[in-house]
Amino acid sequence: KAGVTQTPRYLIKTRGQQVTLSCSPISGHRSVSWYQQTPGQGLQFLFEYFSETQRNKGNFPGRFSGRQFSNSRSEMNVSTLELGDSALYLCASSLAGTGVDEQFFGPGTRLTVL
Amino acid sequence: GENVEQHPSTLSVQEGDSAVIKCTYSDSASNYFPWYKQELGKRPQLIIDIRSNVGEKKDQRIAVTLNKTAKHFSLHITETQPEDSAVYFCAADPSGGYNKLIFGAGTRLAVHP
Repeated sequence: KAGVTQTPRYLIKTRGQQVTLSCSPISGHRSVSWYQQTPGQGLQFLFEYFSETQRNKGNFPGRFSGRQFSNSRSEMNVSTLELGDSALYLCASSLAGTGVDEQFFGPGTRLTVL
Repeated sequence: GENVEQHPSTLSVQEGDSAVIKCTYSDSASNYFPWYKQELGKRPQLIIDIRSNVGEKKDQRIAVTLNKTAKHFSLHITETQPEDSAVYFCAADPSGGYNKLIFGAGTRLAVHP
């Protein structure tokens, strides 16, 4: 099976712009979680989607949003970018709908905000 | 709130020694505790996990122990090898199965030949 894929792998944006990141889960996985990784804050949970529904949200401002499509692919959007949004954005997919299961991470999208 | 503390932040050992990393979690609803290894420039990869109904789990040179009463869990790597050098993250899932991981700050392990 192909692993989790994310596009694009690298992005450079300027303050005030918006950005959309994409995540394709492992075939058959219906849960997609998003995480932000920075040197200062580590790995932080953004949100999780299952069957096109957001089930959990982390402590991020409303500028961070996401969605999931019927084929389980997910996108996250960050509007009005700030310098502090520079980070590696990781998505992870999981088979489980309820109950816990391993999360498989994608390679990440490296976002740089200038 | 939901918090996971991880110690130490850096760990340096000689090849063949053991390495121990400890984590403490705050949310008593947590029932799933994975450990991830992240090499430089790579994605985090699961190395072992444990569920709340189990006290210990082993996989070759890696073991994890869980003490639910004390809310702490530990990773033990025996007979370390240079390829074990990486950043290790512990995590806890307090969401009751909705795939929300709260991560520790990470431990940078260096194994010297």
